[in-house]
Amino acid sequence: SAVISQKPSRDICQRGTSLTIQCQVDSQVTMMFWYRQQPGQSLTLIATANQGSEATYESGFVIDKFPISRPNLTFSTLTVSNMSPEDSSIYLCSVVRADEQFFGPGTRLTVL
Amino acid sequence: KQEVTQIPAALSVPEGENLVLNCSFTDSAIYNLQWFRQDPGKGLTSLLLIQSSQREQTSGRLNASLDKSSGRSTLYIAASQPGDSATYLCAVKGSSNTGKLIFGQGTTLQVKP
Repeated sequence: SAVISQKPSRDICQRGTSLTIQCQVDSQVTMMFWYRQQPGQSLTLIATANQGSEATYESGFVIDKFPISRPNLTFSTLTVSNMSPEDSSIYLCSVVRADEQFFGPGTRLTVL
Repeated sequence: KQEVTQIPAALSVPEGENLVLNCSFTDSAIYNLQWFRQDPGKGLTSLLLIQSSQREQTSGRLNASLDKSSGRSTLYIAASQPGDSATYLCAVKGSSNTGKLIFGQGTTLQVKP
């Protein structure tokens, strides 16, 4: 299995501001993944974060809106920039270990 | 484009009942399929992983089957308990070198004592 922690667990933010979410994994992984779960919806992959290279974004997600850092093999951050109420979601960090995918506890973001 | 559908969207059963959750996917070229559990406002807990070459996996009271050719998977829960109440998500992966899972919308299960 994998032990994944995220900070913060939840936050309430004003529109136009930015929030950085941190993800820490218990051991080194090549790729880390960021997902979004909008209210009442299932999960959608935002981007894949590789250490030492730029993140790879899925269709519909752009670096200016969701900049990602991956400074080492156990840590990544996702920033939600210039937030609007439509960004209110749960953001989850994920890793793969032995083909099995594991998720962090999520960050519940509410934008007013 | 892969699409994953879960039926039913919600299910309410009395405690002790055996139940089946269904998952279907449109593209049979999958690498693996995973079942997750999500409690309200929480992250996902991995329940079972089935590789494309496997037919089923079991863990405790849970049994998941996979029929790639028909694009179907089922999650069987035996002797349901109130603690099983949660949303169950099915997700498929298209290839090995990715973390992209395509998720279904989930089945929300309520087990009444």
